Amino acid sequence: QVQLQESGPGLVKPSETLSLTCTVSGGSISSGGYYWDWIRQHPGKDPEWIGYIYYSGSTSYNPSLKSRVTMSVDTSRNQFSLKLTSVTAADTAVYYCAREPYDRGYGGPYDYWGHGTLVTVSS
Amino acid sequence: QLVLTQSPSASASLGASVKLTCTLSSGRSSYAIAWHQQRPEKGPRYLMRINSDGSHNKGDGIPDRFSGSSSGTERYLTISSLQSDDEADYYCQTWATGIRVFGGGTKLTVL
Repeated sequence: QVQLQESGPGLVKPSETLSLTCTVSGGSISSGGYYWDWIRQHPGKDPEWIGYIYYSGSTSYNPSLKSRVTMSVDTSRNQFSLKLTSVTAADTAVYYCAREPYDRGYGGPYDYWGHGTLVTVSS
Repeated sequence: QLVLTQSPSASASLGASVKLTCTLSSGRSSYAIAWHQQRPEKGPRYLMRINSDGSHNKGDGIPDRFSGSSSGTERYLTISSLQSDDEADYYCQTWATGIRVFGGGTKLTVL
């Protein structure tokens, strides 16, 4: 059974950088076949896609966040990470990591999700 | 533009059936979608993928009470023999090159 677990600070100051890590168990990122995504959900709102990374390091980001987002992957630790710079209160949300099939590059449904971690941006 | 539209709310009685609808934007009738369940204060849980021909692939451990179907740009999730813990938000989701999209969610109330 694949499991994903988010970790990182729950409180970030405005203008600083939000950093989160997702640890994958029950499956190997380096084996390929899947994109690894970050998704966030503002309180009471719909989920919002942030971006994904492939084991090779190739990425795709939501155009609305692209200028502030960087994702990376550490296959030796079976982890992938998110950095979001210059955060404001509007970045306060629950952040999820998730897995989707690569499927010849087209992507697919999120078949496994982490439990999510609340990140609050406040001074 | 790739958009998914869902009714904000639905309700049905305990033990009854309910059919939720997710509508793809015009011209996107070939797209597959996925349904996810989000119980209060919990993370989303993958239910199934529904293809344009109505075939579907369920996630691990999803009971037979959950089924999917398709017609044109509409994708459906039917839940039969409703239980109290089916009360949740249900989101549809789709994907294309460089984009991932969620619907607005349907809040299901079990009466």
